Amino acid sequence: DAGVIQSPRHEVTEMGQEVTLRCKPISGHNSLFWYRQTMMRGLELLIYFNNNVPIDDSGMPEDRFSAKMPNASFSTLKIQPSEPRDSAVYFCASSLALTGKMNTEAFFGQGTRLTVV
Amino acid sequence: AQSVTQLDSQVPVFEEAPVELRCNYSSSVSVYLFWYVQYPNQGLQLLLKYLSGSTLVKGINGFEAEFNKSQTSFHLRKPSVHISDTAEYFCAVTRRNNDMRFGAGTRLTVKP
Repeated sequence: DAGVIQSPRHEVTEMGQEVTLRCKPISGHNSLFWYRQTMMRGLELLIYFNNNVPIDDSGMPEDRFSAKMPNASFSTLKIQPSEPRDSAVYFCASSLALTGKMNTEAFFGQGTRLTVV
Repeated sequence: AQSVTQLDSQVPVFEEAPVELRCNYSSSVSVYLFWYVQYPNQGLQLLLKYLSGSTLVKGINGFEAEFNKSQTSFHLRKPSVHISDTAEYFCAVTRRNNDMRFGAGTRLTVKP
C-alpha cells in the first residue's frame, strides 16, 4: 500500500478563497483523522471519522471549516473563506479500529502546507 | 478530559549521550500510549506503542519507553543518541472514543 496520500502537498491561496484539502486513507482502514499543526498550537485534532461517520468534530475551529468523508477511500477538509491565520500544515491519518477495540496506531500522510496570504 | 503533557519543549544533547523525553497523561480509564517521531517536512512515524502487557516497550531506532500507571507517565529513552535522532517527538494517547490526542512535542537536538 502507498500509505496515506494527501494532496496537494503545498497550497498558496489568497485570503477569502476556498481551499480544499484531500486525503486518501490506507485501504481497509476505518478511522480517519484530520490534524492541524502550527508552531503556536502544536498538533491539534480537528475531526475524527469512523466508518465514514464524523464522531468528534469538536476541534474544528469555526464554521469556515468543514470535512466530509463520502466513502471509505476519500475525505476532504474545506476552508471557506480562508484567512491568513489558517496557515498551517494539515495532516490526515488513518487507522484500523477493530469492533470494541481502540485504535492501535495511526498512519500519517505527508501533510499539506497551506499558506493564506 | 484527556490531556497529554510533554514537559520539555526542547532537549539539546551531545551525540552518544543518553536521553529521556518526558510524557505524562491524565486519564482515569485505560488508554493506549504512543510515541511518534517527525523529521523535517515529513509526516509522523510511529516509534513505539503501549497497549497492554509488559510496561517496558521497545521501539525502532533503539528507543524504548516505560509505562508507569501510578505516575501516569510514559517517558521515552535512548541510551546513546545519534545525530540522525534530531527530530520532533510526540507523545499520544488513544481514548475510549477512539480519537488520538497528541502532546505539544519535544524537539530533540543532537549535537556533535
